Amino acid sequence: TQLLEQSPQFLSIQEGENLTVYCNSSSVFSSLQWYRQEPGEGPVLLVTVVTGGEVKKLKRLTFQFGDARKDSSLHITAAQPGDTGLYLCAGDSNSGYALNFGKGTSLLVTP
Amino acid sequence: DTGVSQDPRHKITKRGQNVTFRCDPISEHNRLYWYRQTLGQGPEFLTYFQNEAQLEKSRLLSDRFSAERPKGSFSTLEIQRTEQGDSAMYLCASSGNLESYEQYFGPGTRLTVT
Repeated sequence: TQLLEQSPQFLSIQEGENLTVYCNSSSVFSSLQWYRQEPGEGPVLLVTVVTGGEVKKLKRLTFQFGDARKDSSLHITAAQPGDTGLYLCAGDSNSGYALNFGKGTSLLVTP
Repeated sequence: DTGVSQDPRHKITKRGQNVTFRCDPISEHNRLYWYRQTLGQGPEFLTYFQNEAQLEKSRLLSDRFSAERPKGSFSTLEIQRTEQGDSAMYLCASSGNLESYEQYFGPGTRLTVT
């Protein structure tokens, strides 16, 4: 199993602050996905990165894939309460079918 | 709504009972996946279908678990003789052929075994 470690595990910030969460592995991935999950719901796909060094932006969210395709980061600018949720990263497994997920970063943004 | 749907959303059952969950994937997706998620963990892969063929099963899928996708459309996941350790969120996802790594998840079925 290719393990993905996410940090920090928990993050509580105030509205308007910036933050970065990390997803690290010793394995190389051909692609990496970021999801956001709210309590009692399924994960919602935010972005897929496939090229080493790739940067993708989704409004106030910036995703980066490491040059060696072993790690990724998610930066949120001017966080809002609506950003609250569990942020999960996932990478393809050796089988090519299943996704391996990290444990997630639980983010709380307070007004 | 053309996303992945799951039924029921919540199920409470007594230990030893059988339960069955249903998943309807996005209509044009031929790949379907089942995952299980427990508190504080990310989803863990259970099994994968391409059309009606079950191509991969995780070691997490014990003999009490069985999944089917009889016509290559909806899928069912059955758990026989449920145990308290089966309590979890069961998630279904689907993807297309070309970008199979982009998996779209349903809302999940929350199972509580008492």
